[in-house]
Amino acid sequence: GAVVSQHPSRVICKSGTSVKIECRSLDFQATTMFWYRQFPKQSLMLMATSNEGSKATYEQGVEKDKFLINHASLTLSTLTVTSAHPEDSSFYICSARGPPLGGPINEQFFGPGTRLTVL
Amino acid sequence: TQLLEQSPQFLSIQEGENLTVYCNSSSVFSSLQWYRQEPGEGPVLLVTVVTGGEVKKLKRLTFQFGDARKDSSLHITAAQPGDTGLYLCAGISGTYKYIFGTGTRLKVLA
Repeated sequence: GAVVSQHPSRVICKSGTSVKIECRSLDFQATTMFWYRQFPKQSLMLMATSNEGSKATYEQGVEKDKFLINHASLTLSTLTVTSAHPEDSSFYICSARGPPLGGPINEQFFGPGTRLTVL
Repeated sequence: TQLLEQSPQFLSIQEGENLTVYCNSSSVFSSLQWYRQEPGEGPVLLVTVVTGGEVKKLKRLTFQFGDARKDSSLHITAAQPGDTGLYLCAGISGTYKYIFGTGTRLKVLA
């Protein structure tokens, strides 16, 4: 099956620094990648949708200047949390979707997540 | 805004008991998926239901999609400690955007 990796799996940083999280589709080309945020014991909240070669589409309430998304290739998307603060601490999960498969479902494949802790 | 409400939010049961988790929305979805997530990991897909009224079984898990494709249920028979986790439903819209449910945290005690 399709595999999606994230790096790093865990990161601790000081307040005010920027952190980059990578999301890679290992065995398929992902035309679209999604970034989610998950607070402890809560569900996944979609932050943005990223299409290869174009600007990301952010969900309402998500600051695009705070969470920079780059989808430079069909296998890599990055999320950069700029000037991180303690309230940005969260579990960030990406998912990747390939070209249409012709069926009724256009499945997303989820990465293992990145836990960000901002001190 | 599309919302998916899950109930119950939390459930703690003894091994061997049965349980049902509900996923409800006022919106119609083209399909719906159920995931289980362990702490510190990404969600793992359990099943996808597409047709209204569809029932799918995965060992002790039975999934049903509502006739109107607005709701779904997950029934677990004879729960085991290994079933412990966060269960998430996700509705898929026509634009292939996933809307995740509020989540049900299940704990099965040995």
